Parts: sequence; structure tokens; C-alpha cells
Amino acid sequence: DIQMTQSPSTLSASVGDRVTITCRASQSISSWLAWYQQKPGKAPKLLIYDASSLESGVPSRFSGSGSGTEFTLTISSLQPDDFATYYCQQYHSYSLITFGQGTRLEIK
Amino acid sequence: QLQLQESGPGLVKPSETLSLTCSVSGGSISNTNEYWGWIRQPPGKGLEWIGNIFYRGRTYYNPSLKSRVTMSVDTSKNQFYLNLSSVTTADTAVYFCARRRIPDYWGQGTLVTVSS
Repeated sequence: DIQMTQSPSTLSASVGDRVTITCRASQSISSWLAWYQQKPGKAPKLLIYDASSLESGVPSRFSGSGSGTEFTLTISSLQPDDFATYYCQQYHSYSLITFGQGTRLEIK
Repeated sequence: QLQLQESGPGLVKPSETLSLTCSVSGGSISNTNEYWGWIRQPPGKGLEWIGNIFYRGRTYYNPSLKSRVTMSVDTSKNQFYLNLSSVTTADTAVYFCARRRIPDYWGQGTLVTVSS
């Protein structure tokens, strides 16, 4: 199994802050990584795929980087709408897709 | 605009089979080369991939659920399905259907509670 570990589990920040969330894979997944945003009671929303490609319609303040086993999601200037839970997802193998445990981004 | 909608019983008894339908509108399941899938989320917890199915029937299942999961597709109805057998309380979750292995379109999710 490929385990995905996100850090931190909870992040407190203010509007306008630059924040970074890290996702580490237990083995190399090349660039087969996506990031999602989820708000309470809603389905997740795809933000980034292939580690650094921005999904259509997603604001450019979101960016992703990394390859191999270490990846980051960066929000350059937090907006009120960005407070949510973020998940990474690896899709290196067709037969096993796994998600990180989530990072809750809360207002400081 | 593609839309997905889950439907099925909200309450299932332990040891029984959970059966859900995902209805797709605004596009045809068989007109693309995409996989369709199911993902679940226990209350207050993270996301768990259940599996994917191609419209021609090829399936991939989470190894931890593989012995209990069956997915199928009915292209004439533009629907795909999830069956999860021998459920326990640990299977209580919001179940989402979605398009692609990297889901870009999701259903709203349906809560299924396993309880006697």
C-alpha cells in the first residue's frame, strides 16, 4: 500500500497569509498527485492534478509542487472562502488510490 | 454540465448488502474514455477510495474492500452501481460517486447508516 501523510493536521491562519500544506508518500508516486478542498457537508473540489496542474476555474492563488515522495499545496494569499479541509490523493496505480488524512485550515 | 446523483437506502442492517445507484446526466457514460468511481467518508473522518469502473466493465477495487465490493454499469440507463456486501457499522459513511480516477465531477453524497 502507498500511505499518504499530510502535515500539519490543523493549520491556523489569517486572511492574506501565505500557507503551505505538505503531503508525503510512503514510496515514489512520480507526479501522480492531486489536491482537493472540502467544505462541511459538500463533496470535495479538485484543485490541482499531476502535482502542479491547476484545474480549470480554480483561482491562481492555489499552486502545487513536488514529485517523488514530497509534495506541497500553497495558497499565496488566503481568502475567507479558503477555510476548509484539504486532502491529497495519489493515483500512481490503477488498483490502489489513497488519500491523505486531511488538513483542516482554520481562521486564526 | 455533467451532474451525478447518488440514490439508495439510507439505512442498511448489519450483514446485509448496501446497494447504491449513481445517475449521470448532462453527458453519456459511454461517450468518454473515463473511469467512474465510488468514494466514501465516515462521519467526521477522511476520504476512502472504494473503486473505479470503466463503461466497458473493467473494474479496480480497494484491496481492503475487494472481497465485498461489486461495481457495474448500465449504459442504457446512464447509471453505474455499487454493491457492498456483509456490511458492519464500520461501513457507515457518506458515499460519493464521481467521474474519473482524479474526480472532477462528484455527486452530492448520500449518507448510509448501518444499524439494526
